[in-house]
Amino acid sequence: DAGVTQSPTHLIKTRGQQVTLRCSPKSGHDTVSWYQQALGQGPQFIFQYYEEEERQRGNFPDRFSGHQFPNYSSELNVNALLLGDSALYLCASSFGTGVGKNIQYFGAGTRLSVL
Amino acid sequence: AQKITQTQPGMFVQEKEAVTLDCTYDTSDPSYGLFWYKQPSSGEMIFLIYQGSYDQQNATEGRYSLNFQKARKSANLVISASQLGDSAMYFCAMREGRHNFNKFYFGSGTKLNVKP
Repeated sequence: DAGVTQSPTHLIKTRGQQVTLRCSPKSGHDTVSWYQQALGQGPQFIFQYYEEEERQRGNFPDRFSGHQFPNYSSELNVNALLLGDSALYLCASSFGTGVGKNIQYFGAGTRLSVL
Repeated sequence: AQKITQTQPGMFVQEKEAVTLDCTYDTSDPSYGLFWYKQPSSGEMIFLIYQGSYDQQNATEGRYSLNFQKARKSANLVISASQLGDSAMYFCAMREGRHNFNKFYFGSGTKLNVKP
């Protein structure tokens, strides 16, 4: 049973460029959430997708956008990259209609460096 | 105000001893869930334990237990019989509301070092 997979594992970009990160959820999961984790900090919620729609969004600018595909996989796009976007980007999946103990399972992340 | 506060940036514990990692939370929603995750140097967040706001008993999962004090809004993680493999970052997290679609908040983490 494959867990949450993310690609690529590492990425180096320059300021102003655009980047796309990818996530495949755990088998049986239909909800994907994205987080940004700066060095030495806890993850910050970016947004969550369910049924190909954005359901919740954290305090991130419109430069951060996403997409969910019919097979539940997801992409995170960041435009006009800034140095401050350098971070570990984590994807988490869960079963969308659950309540209570609905655990999010995380991938190993994509480490983005913006030069 | 911070939703999740972890006041211990780093902790040391001797192998085979117990350790408590502190977590306080802030919410006015009567329904919420509290989670602890472990993050080794590899980066992947590993789920450890969950406590719902309406759960009457403290959660336990193997060597992990959650000391839930609702009136004090604290949800401390207790690791019994520490092992060298327990050395990692530990994050406390909260989901406000009962539904999966509610936002998820993480604390700043505690780095645990287990000494042989």
